[in-house]
Amino acid sequence: QQQVKQSPQSLIVQKGGISIINCAYENTAFDYFPWYQQFPGKGPALLIAIRPDVSEKKEGRFTISFNKSAKQFSLHIMDSQPGDSATYFCAASKGGSQGNLIFGKGTKLSVKP
Amino acid sequence: DAGVIQSPRHEVTEMGQEVTLRCKPISGHNSLFWYRQTMMRGLELLIYFNNNVPIDDSGMPEDRFSAKMPNASFSTLKIQPSEPRDSAVYFCASRFGGADEQYFGPGTRLTVT
Repeated sequence: QQQVKQSPQSLIVQKGGISIINCAYENTAFDYFPWYQQFPGKGPALLIAIRPDVSEKKEGRFTISFNKSAKQFSLHIMDSQPGDSATYFCAASKGGSQGNLIFGKGTKLSVKP
Repeated sequence: DAGVIQSPRHEVTEMGQEVTLRCKPISGHNSLFWYRQTMMRGLELLIYFNNNVPIDDSGMPEDRFSAKMPNASFSTLKIQPSEPRDSAVYFCASRFGGADEQYFGPGTRLTVT
């Protein structure tokens, strides 16, 4: 069964610290790996995404690291801020017009001031 | 440009009643997705449409759920009859052409008593 496993379930980080969230997938046909950020009462918003032809992608304080052989990818939030406190979801799909996103269960991040 | 629009934002109904959730995708997007989010099961894809045609409805829980997309700018998700276990947040998302990125609406919080 197609699955994306995400850990940890919750994470508490001090302001200025690094937040790291990990995901593992099973289906080697997946070729698109996005991360979504969700604030309470809002819909998930696309944060950053990667394809397996690169091992890392950085956008501002957010970095995705991708390990194709291990079938794992992770989100790193550098210099974490209280405003980053939200739930983060990893996802995977086969990409293209037929691809459905398979989501991880989410990580609730709290950044303490 | 307006994002994905969903209505109503909140719906409280009694068991056995019919519930209709509505979605207007981003203009120009030709794929539309309905998701359900619960604490226990996370984000689950219910059904998705490509060019107004249902492509995959394998996530629809049972015959009480039905979805339609009569035109490119409108979709409905109907639950009849509703049950307390249908209580969840329902999200609609849309995507442009062969792109990978999905954009989510603000969701409808459904409570069935």
